[in-house]
Amino acid sequence: DAGVTQSPTHLIKTRGQHVTLRCSPISGHKSVSWYQQVLGQGPQFIFQYYEKEERGRGNFPDRFSARQFPNYSSELNVNALLLGDSALYLCASSSGLAGHSTDTQYFGPGTRLTVL
Amino acid sequence: AQSVTQLDSQVPVFEEAPVELRCNYSSSVSVYLFWYVQYPNQGLQLLLKYLSGSTLVESINGFEAEFNKSQTSFHLRKPSVHISDTAEYFCAVSGYSSASKIIFGSGTRLSIRP
Repeated sequence: DAGVTQSPTHLIKTRGQHVTLRCSPISGHKSVSWYQQVLGQGPQFIFQYYEKEERGRGNFPDRFSARQFPNYSSELNVNALLLGDSALYLCASSSGLAGHSTDTQYFGPGTRLTVL
Repeated sequence: AQSVTQLDSQVPVFEEAPVELRCNYSSSVSVYLFWYVQYPNQGLQLLLKYLSGSTLVESINGFEAEFNKSQTSFHLRKPSVHISDTAEYFCAVSGYSSASKIIFGSGTRLSIRP
């Protein structure tokens, strides 16, 4: 069975541009969470979506937005990119609300975003 | 709100030696606790988790962690490490009331010397 997939694997953008990152959860999983991992730090929670509704939001500016589609795949959008947005963006899926039950979050390999 | 502190950014040990990776958390509510592992050039994988019940939890590859409520700690231990355990280890916490939000520590890099 395929795990969580993310695209693209690497991306280079310039300041001020916008970016869209994509995530496909494990088949049957209805919850998708997004994390930002800056080099040398732990992942920071950005959003969680469950059944196409936002269920949690971290401390990120409104430049960050996301959505979940009927097939439970998800997109993370970042507008007006800043140098500090350079990071590894991780997507995780679970069958229920992540961390609230015995369900485990399964992480994808991430998208490495570099902002120049 | 919850927070996690991993006191050691790097832990070098010799192969077959024991290791302890320290994790302390702060929370005003009951919590779930997790350890994740990130092998070089790979994504995060759940190593073990504490949800309730026995305070000692074990993983399939020999790691164990003990939930200590009085010391607000969840240290990770292994009695004998292998070269293949070389990775970054992240402690994480989520609160019962905000379970959609998992807070990660800054990570501990475990390097094994032959």
